Amino acid sequence: GAGVSQSPSNKVTEKGKDVELRCDPISGHTALYWYRQSLGQGLEFLIYFQGNSAPDKSGLPSDRFSAERTGGSVSTLTIQRTQQEDSAVYLCASSLTGGAREQYFGPGTRLTVT
Amino acid sequence: AQKVTQAQTEISVVEKEDVTLDCVYETRDTTYYLFWYKQPPSGELVFLIRRNSFDEQNEISGRYSWNFQKSTSSFNFTITASQVVDSAVYFCALSEYNNNDMRFGAGTRLTVKP
Repeated sequence: GAGVSQSPSNKVTEKGKDVELRCDPISGHTALYWYRQSLGQGLEFLIYFQGNSAPDKSGLPSDRFSAERTGGSVSTLTIQRTQQEDSAVYLCASSLTGGAREQYFGPGTRLTVT
Repeated sequence: AQKVTQAQTEISVVEKEDVTLDCVYETRDTTYYLFWYKQPPSGELVFLIRRNSFDEQNEISGRYSWNFQKSTSSFNFTITASQVVDSAVYFCALSEYNNNDMRFGAGTRLTVKP
């Protein structure tokens, strides 16, 4: 079946502009995660959605970052007033349920802020 | 607080050699889960294994094997008879049962030379 998809695959934006990154999880997966991977680094947790529960936003680095998940499926990560330090690969993952189940990752969106 | 350490930043071996990737974790929880993921040059993370804290049995899957030792808080990954296709960055990760934040190690870059 279809895996996790993300769009766009690459995004180049000017400093100060807003960007939206999209994630389409595996059908039927109730949990959705966003991570950030800076060059040569591990993954940094950003936000977690589980069903209709309030999202866990504890990993968002600043109030310029926000995310929503509509209808329990597609999610959008928005970064406002982008900064050069926001340049990274943004990864989305989904899992069948929450509670430390294995996560399946999308190919990521490479964001470059110039 | 949960933490994962992968002390080996880079490893280089020649094809057919065995190689072990180390993973040491820290957690105060008694219920937790450990994971290994592979990130090939294409970039998409691939789930390899998930173990819970109550199951210390070693696991073997083809050329891959995992050694979980609670006494040393380690969850090491061995590839037997390595192949060029095993070249990738390998991440160890920890998820506490009631914590949505899956904590990843910094990763080990494995290069298998022909």
